[in-house]
Order: sequence, then structure tokens, then C-alpha cells
Amino acid sequence: SQTIHQWPATLVQPVGSPLSLECTVEGTSNPNLYWYRQAAGRGLQLLFYSVGIGQISSEVPQNLSASRPQDRQFILSSKKLLLSDSGFYLCAWSVGVRPYNEQFFGPGTRLTVL
Amino acid sequence: AQSVSQHNHHVILSEAASLELGCNYSYGGTVNLFWYVQYPGQHLQLLLKYFSGDPLVKGIKGFEAEFIKSKFSFNLRKPSVQWSDTAEYFCAVNEGGSQGNLIFGKGTKLSVKP
Repeated sequence: SQTIHQWPATLVQPVGSPLSLECTVEGTSNPNLYWYRQAAGRGLQLLFYSVGIGQISSEVPQNLSASRPQDRQFILSSKKLLLSDSGFYLCAWSVGVRPYNEQFFGPGTRLTVL
Repeated sequence: AQSVSQHNHHVILSEAASLELGCNYSYGGTVNLFWYVQYPGQHLQLLLKYFSGDPLVKGIKGFEAEFIKSKFSFNLRKPSVQWSDTAEYFCAVNEGGSQGNLIFGKGTKLSVKP
């Protein structure tokens, strides 16, 4: 069966420090991968999606970047965190090209920038 | 740009009460519609989805939703809620021809009193 892992589960970082959040998927090949952020009082916002290794699309301009070095690995990064980067970060995956295919979500990482 | 509105931020019901959570979207073309649920301490998971056919969709745990195209709505319903339905509910939409990128509403927190 397929599983999705995210780490760390929680993170507290100072402003200006770098960030690296990792997401890995097991039990499937060629998944579509997504990074979402849920800020306090707001819905989930899509940040990045990837349909293959090295292929990253950004939905909103921001202080973050994403990379996909392997088929089932998706990394969210920042060189210098801002206070506004605080939030709950969710990774998700889906398979196939049909847009109504279900997305499966990971447990999330709660990031607090102080 | 597409947007999704969930009208209620927090709904409090007693067990056995009926539930209806509102969801409206802004896109005028073909859409796929989803309701996701996040139970306390668990991953976000799919409750039900609509992409074509019968506009009344049945999901897990006795939930259903009705797609009303003329009203741009996809309201979630359950005739009799249980304490275990306490969770946060998210409506999401993607365009019919898109990569599957979901636009989420802000979520509705449901608290069911035993």
C-alpha cells in the first residue's frame, strides 16, 4: 500500500535561517507531488506541484522553492525564512493525468518562524 | 482566478442533528469538486468527489453532497451527525482540464456535542 511521509513534524526556526522540509512517497511510481501551506485562519494554498523528476511548477510567488531530486521525493526549501512563512505545510500525491484523481495527504509539518 | 467560499467557520451541533455545510466556487467552466475531512490528529482525507454524472454524490460515513451548477455550489450534508464527525471539513475545486491542482476553501470546523 502507498504511504507518504513528511519530516520533521514540527519545527521552530529563527527569521533569516534556512529551511528544508522533506516528503517521500512509498508504494507508487511516477506520482504527481504537491506542496500546500495552511496559514492560520486561511485555507490550504497550493505552493508547488511536480509531475516528474526535476519538473517543478510554482503557483504563487514567494520566499520558498521546491525540488524533486528523485521520483518519490519532494523537498521544500528556503534560503532565509520570513515570519510570514509560518504555517502548516502539507505534502500530497496523486497518480495519473485525470484531474479528478484523489490526492493523498501527508501528516504535515508545523513551522513556526520566530 | 478561481476561489472557493465556505460560509461557516465553525459549526456546533448536537448528536443526531442534521448537517449542511455550504461551499460555493467561482469558476464558470467544467469543474471537479471535492470534500476533504481532517479528523483530530489524522491526515486530510477524501470524503467524496464529483466529476460527472449524477449531481448527488454519496461519500463515506453517510455523507453526501449535491452539485448545483446554476448556483455554483457543492454543499455537504448528513442527516444525522455523530460525535465522531467532529473534524474540519474542506471543500476543493479544480478545473476540468487542469493538472489536478486543487483550490481549497478555508475550511469549516464541525464540533458535535455528545
